[in-house]
Amino acid sequence: AQSVTQLDSHVSVSEGTPVLLRCNYSSSYSPSLFWYVQHPNKGLQLLLKYTSAATLVKGINGFEAEFKKSETSFHLTKPSAHMSDAAEYFCVVSLLNDYKLSFGAGTTVTVRA
Amino acid sequence: ETGVTQTPRHLVMGMTNKKSLKCEQHLGHNAMYWYKQSAKKPLELMFVYSLEERVENNSVPSRFSPECPNSSHLFLHLHTLQPEDSALYLCASSQEVPSGSYHNEQFFGPGTRLTVL
Repeated sequence: AQSVTQLDSHVSVSEGTPVLLRCNYSSSYSPSLFWYVQHPNKGLQLLLKYTSAATLVKGINGFEAEFKKSETSFHLTKPSAHMSDAAEYFCVVSLLNDYKLSFGAGTTVTVRA
Repeated sequence: ETGVTQTPRHLVMGMTNKKSLKCEQHLGHNAMYWYKQSAKKPLELMFVYSLEERVENNSVPSRFSPECPNSSHLFLHLHTLQPEDSALYLCASSQEVPSGSYHNEQFFGPGTRLTVL
């Protein structure tokens, strides 16, 4: 079985400062890991994914995440927050060849002007 | 149309009504999903269809009835719902590779915001 824990339910940053969203996972086998973003009244959009290739994964809109097996973490970062980054972010884990995704509870990001 | 579309975007219904949610994917995928997103709760997987066959029914009450007439369309039929069924219902699709290895990247629609009075 696999699961994810998003360590922060809410993160508030100032525009132009770095963003860090923390995610720890639990998985019996080599996982696939994803970060999705959900803007208000919208569906989920894939930001980036880790599928056992490079451990540093670059995604859309300047986001990146690093897979650290020893720490079972997959934290999401962005060097400089923009107002449009205000949204809910979900860390997700699945197993190879498994249709089931396990979602974290989500982290709400607010960006102050 | 591109990606995954859902209609209607908003729906208000009484507990005795019957309604249906529709999802269509334009990505050529062979698996489709229904999720329920309630406030302050993780996404809940409701149903999974792979190659038009239901492969998952995650202990969902029978007042929710899915239908997958082909690989591009997915419906969720609703009847005699309860107020606690009010939520955002999300549809997703992905491409399975039955004979090979794949990572389940799912593409989501915008959702239907359902309110049950």
